[in-house]
Amino acid sequence: GAVVSQHPSRVICKSGTSVKIECRSLDFQATTMFWYRQFPKQSLMLMATSNEGSKATYEQGVEKDKFLINHASLTLSTLTVTSAHPEDSSFYICSARSGVGNQPQHFGDGTRLSIL
Amino acid sequence: AQKVTQAQTEISVVEKEDVTLDCVYETRDTTYYLFWYKQPPSGELVFLIRRNSFDEQNEISGRYSWNFQKSTSSFNFTITASQVVDSAVYFCALSEARNTGFQKLVFGTGTRLLVSP
Repeated sequence: GAVVSQHPSRVICKSGTSVKIECRSLDFQATTMFWYRQFPKQSLMLMATSNEGSKATYEQGVEKDKFLINHASLTLSTLTVTSAHPEDSSFYICSARSGVGNQPQHFGDGTRLSIL
Repeated sequence: AQKVTQAQTEISVVEKEDVTLDCVYETRDTTYYLFWYKQPPSGELVFLIRRNSFDEQNEISGRYSWNFQKSTSSFNFTITASQVVDSAVYFCALSEARNTGFQKLVFGTGTRLLVSP
C-alpha cells in the first residue's frame, strides 16, 4: 500500500521550455502533497506544500510563478517548471500524505530534469 | 527552528560488518516525529521508520535497529551484518507531530553508505 507514482522519470529539454511533472497517489487519497528538489549529492529541500483544492504554500526563496503547482484532486498533483533554464536542472521528488489517520509521507520515484 | 545533522558524509564498510549512522536533531517542539529514509542509486526514497518523540523504546526490524536518545537528541540507525544491497544514501528527517495537514519534513544532509563485497 501507499504507492506514489511520479511521471516522467527523466526529462531532457531545451532552455525556455515548460515542463510538467505529475505525482499520483495510486492506492490512497492524498490530502497533502509535497514537492522537493534535490541537487546532486545534497539533501532534499522542500519547495512547496499543497492541500487538495487549495493554493500551494511555497517555501521562502521558491518562485511561485516559476514553479506552478496544481493539486486538483485527491490523487494528483502537478509541478510545472515554466520557461526552464539550465539552473533549473535538478532531481524533483514529490511525496503524498493521506488525510486519514496519522500517516507518514510516501515518496514518488523522482524526476530527473535536465535543461540544455 | 528545526535542524537535522548527519555528520557522517560517507561510510565505507565491507560486507557483514555492522555500521551505525548518526543523526542529531534540534527542535523546540515538545512533540515531533523522527524518520529514516533510504535513497538507493535509482533515486526513489524508501521509508524505513517513523518514531514519535514520546516513544523512546529502541526498535529492531530484521537487520535494522534504531536507538532514540531524547537526552542527547539523537536517533541513530544501525545495520547489522551489512550487505551490498544496503549501499545507498540514508536520510534522517524530523517533522512536527501533526495529525492533519502540513507535516513539513526537515532532512539531514544524508550519509552515503558503501558496502563492498
